[in-house]
Amino acid sequence: NAGVTQTPKFRVLKTGQSMTLLCAQDMNHEYMYWYRQDPGMGLRLIHYSVGEGTTAKGEVPDGYNVSRLKKQNFLLGLESAAPSQTSVYFCASREIVRANYGYTFGSGTRLTVV
Amino acid sequence: EDQVTQSPEALRLQEGESSSLNCSYTVSGLRGLFWYRQDPGKGPEFLFTLYSAGEEKEKERLKATLTKKESFLHITAPKPEDSATYLCAVTKAAGNKLTFGGGTRVLVKP
Repeated sequence: NAGVTQTPKFRVLKTGQSMTLLCAQDMNHEYMYWYRQDPGMGLRLIHYSVGEGTTAKGEVPDGYNVSRLKKQNFLLGLESAAPSQTSVYFCASREIVRANYGYTFGSGTRLTVV
Repeated sequence: EDQVTQSPEALRLQEGESSSLNCSYTVSGLRGLFWYRQDPGKGPEFLFTLYSAGEEKEKERLKATLTKKESFLHITAPKPEDSATYLCAVTKAAGNKLTFGGGTRVLVKP
């Protein structure tokens, strides 16, 4: 049981390049989330999904797009990377019924934009 | 606007020196307050959920409590392996999202 798996773990991009971060969960969870974590800023929600085929904006959505074509996968895209997007990105998931039991987080993707 | 504030930002303890971390929140319609532990280079790991004022939960040397305005995470007789960043987060009655505080970095020296 792998839980939440994020790929890649590390990436360096040049300004203006694009990339996609992949999050996969094997727990049949309905809800999935993308957060970014920056020093002194805590974890901030980028986008989230409440089910296959649905997405919604979080606190800091600008510059990112997401897709949830399959229930187990949630993709985060950067169309034109900027240095301000240098961060550690975390994916999380949870099931509907036991909402307060805790969200399960992946191990993160460390992205550097130069 | 929903707000979660954690204090102190950093805490240095000697092994065995008990202490408390604070998480104060302003949220309309609190559904749950979460505590997570995060080790360097890893994702947050779930510790507790508290639902209502007066509730307490314990796990090994950790005990979490909740009032109407804040939560405390008490660390009793800490060991070096308790060194981590502890994150507090809330979710609202009508929401699907966690709102996090900035975290408290705890270092326990042997």
